[in-house]
Amino acid sequence: SQTIHQWPATLVQPVGSPLSLECTVEGTSNPNLYWYRQAAGRGLQLLFYSVGIGQISSEVPQNLSASRPQDRQFILSSKKLLLSDSGFYLCAWSVGQQETQYFGPGTRLLVL
Amino acid sequence: RKEVEQDPGPFNVPEGATVAFNCTYSNSASQSFFWYRQDCRKEPKLLMSVYSSGNEDGRFTAQLNRASQYISLLIRDSKLSDSATYLCVVNWGGKLIFGQGTELSVKP
Repeated sequence: SQTIHQWPATLVQPVGSPLSLECTVEGTSNPNLYWYRQAAGRGLQLLFYSVGIGQISSEVPQNLSASRPQDRQFILSSKKLLLSDSGFYLCAWSVGQQETQYFGPGTRLLVL
Repeated sequence: RKEVEQDPGPFNVPEGATVAFNCTYSNSASQSFFWYRQDCRKEPKLLMSVYSSGNEDGRFTAQLNRASQYISLLIRDSKLSDSATYLCVVNWGGKLIFGQGTELSVKP
């Protein structure tokens, strides 16, 4: 069966520090991968998606970036965090673009 | 207008009650539809897909009206464990668009 992992589970970072969040999927090949952010009291916002290694589409211009160095690995990064980057970051995968997306456990980020 | 709009909630109901959630979406080209459930401080989990013919899964019934761009979720015989936020989700062009969610609290 397929599983999706995210780490770390929680993170407290100072403003201006770098960020690296990792997501890995097991039990499937060539998944579509997604990064979402959920700010406190708000809905989920799609940040990036990837249909293959090295292929990244950005949905929202911001100081975050994403990379997919391996088929089942998706990384979210920032060179300098802002206070507004605080939130719940969720990685998801799907078999195809119209298929159900399954979410990882998320990383709760607090920027101080 | 938001792309996906849901009842604002919260819904506070007693155990055993029937509760209905409504959702409308703005993009008529939307291709697939889902209800997700999100527990407090947890990731969203798929509750059920929504099909044009309507579909049922135990106590849960989902309906889709493409002409009205309207989706509903009916929960019968509510359980304490149904307490969560229910997210209406629309897939357009491979991207999931989420509603803000409706919070349900089932009381003894």
